[in-house]
Amino acid sequence: AQSVAQPEDQVNVAEGNPLTVKCTYSVSGNPYLFWYVQYPNRGLQFLLKYITGDNLVKGSYGFEAEFNKSQTSFHLKKPSALVSDSALYFCAADGGATNKLIFGTGTLLAVQP
Amino acid sequence: GAVVSQHPSWVICKSGTSVKIECRSLDFQATTMFWYRQFPKQSLMLMATSNEGSKATYEQGVEKDKFLINHASLTLSTLTVTSAHPEDSSFYICSAYRTENYGYTFGSGTRLTVV
Repeated sequence: AQSVAQPEDQVNVAEGNPLTVKCTYSVSGNPYLFWYVQYPNRGLQFLLKYITGDNLVKGSYGFEAEFNKSQTSFHLKKPSALVSDSALYFCAADGGATNKLIFGTGTLLAVQP
Repeated sequence: GAVVSQHPSWVICKSGTSVKIECRSLDFQATTMFWYRQFPKQSLMLMATSNEGSKATYEQGVEKDKFLINHASLTLSTLTVTSAHPEDSSFYICSAYRTENYGYTFGSGTRLTVV
């Protein structure tokens, strides 16, 4: 079965430090990969996506993610965390003709001032 | 660009009544829209895929007679929760797929509380 894994329920980081939110996928073919952020009682906001090309994808609000095919990973990174980055982050994959997104379980990012 | 409007943002209804949630793509046409349900501190659960002009495709375990989906135009999909019960209380989110850029745009969600 196709799946997306986010192994960390929560990531804690101090403001100004780099952050990484991990994501691995098990999807057949060449998946499209996405990162979204969700604030309380809100929908999902798009951060970035990988379709093809350069493995390093730059997105909104200073976030970036690196596609690693051999490790089937798509970790989200930011060089310097902000308190306002504190939110729930979802990794997702679109693996086929159905265009259905497969979501990870989400990672709560907490940035301490 | 790529804005999806979802209304209402929150709704409280009495048990046994029906509630309609609208999802509109404001600046693009969406042949495919998706409806999700999210429980507290959990991921999104896909309920159904809505295709313009055809019947929705429901995921396993989702009652199609309870969660009625209509995708009457390229910019509007609606989810009607019929005969709502307290266990239907949840956060419902829609998403519209844009083929031009392989993008999924999400609505802001609807908090449904059934009392």
